[in-house]
Amino acid sequence: GENVEQHPSTLSVQEGDSAVIKCTYSDSASNYFPWYKQELGKRPQLIIDIRSNVGEKKDQRIAVTLNKTAKHFSLHITETQPEDSAVYFCAAYNYGQNFVFGPGTRLSVLP
Amino acid sequence: NAGVTQTPKFQVLKTGQSMTLQCAQDMNHEYMSWYRQDPGMGLRLIHYSVGAGITDQGEVPNGYNVSRSTTEDFPLRLLSAAPSQTSVYFCASSQVGTDTQYFGPGTRLTVL
Repeated sequence: GENVEQHPSTLSVQEGDSAVIKCTYSDSASNYFPWYKQELGKRPQLIIDIRSNVGEKKDQRIAVTLNKTAKHFSLHITETQPEDSAVYFCAAYNYGQNFVFGPGTRLSVLP
Repeated sequence: NAGVTQTPKFQVLKTGQSMTLQCAQDMNHEYMSWYRQDPGMGLRLIHYSVGAGITDQGEVPNGYNVSRSTTEDFPLRLLSAAPSQTSVYFCASSQVGTDTQYFGPGTRLTVL
């Protein structure tokens, strides 16, 4: 079955700097890769996603890149702000299978 | 459009008690699922359903039952609660084809 690894487990950055979180997956059939942000005590919220036929996707300060050959995808947050502090989860999915989540990255943006 | 709703928000049980966690969605999504979230463990799939009358096991199904009699509702039953089931439980739904998964607000369960 699918296995998703996520690094780093914790990340601290200064406000205004960039943050990068990387995930690797094992099943080459996975074709949908969402990223979720979870604030303390809240539900996971989808922030960006990418499909296997696309190499990069941007939404304002957030971008995701996908390398199908290497089976990894990354979340990039530029110009970080204190409100970006949260736990971020990546996931991999293929129709007919299930979402498999990474263990999460706790991002702290220091003012 | 309420999205995905869950009840109760909090629950305390004694070991051996049974209860049902409710989940409902009003988006006509075929796919629904239950996850548990433990500290440092991410989200682990308990059971899922791809449509009314169809359910299947996920990664950690032991001690839990589900049923899907309607498209809207997907209750999770704890048969005989154990302290190891202390966790936060999230229900989620998605439309087959678009794949975007939406989460409910969660139920925080404590088993004493």
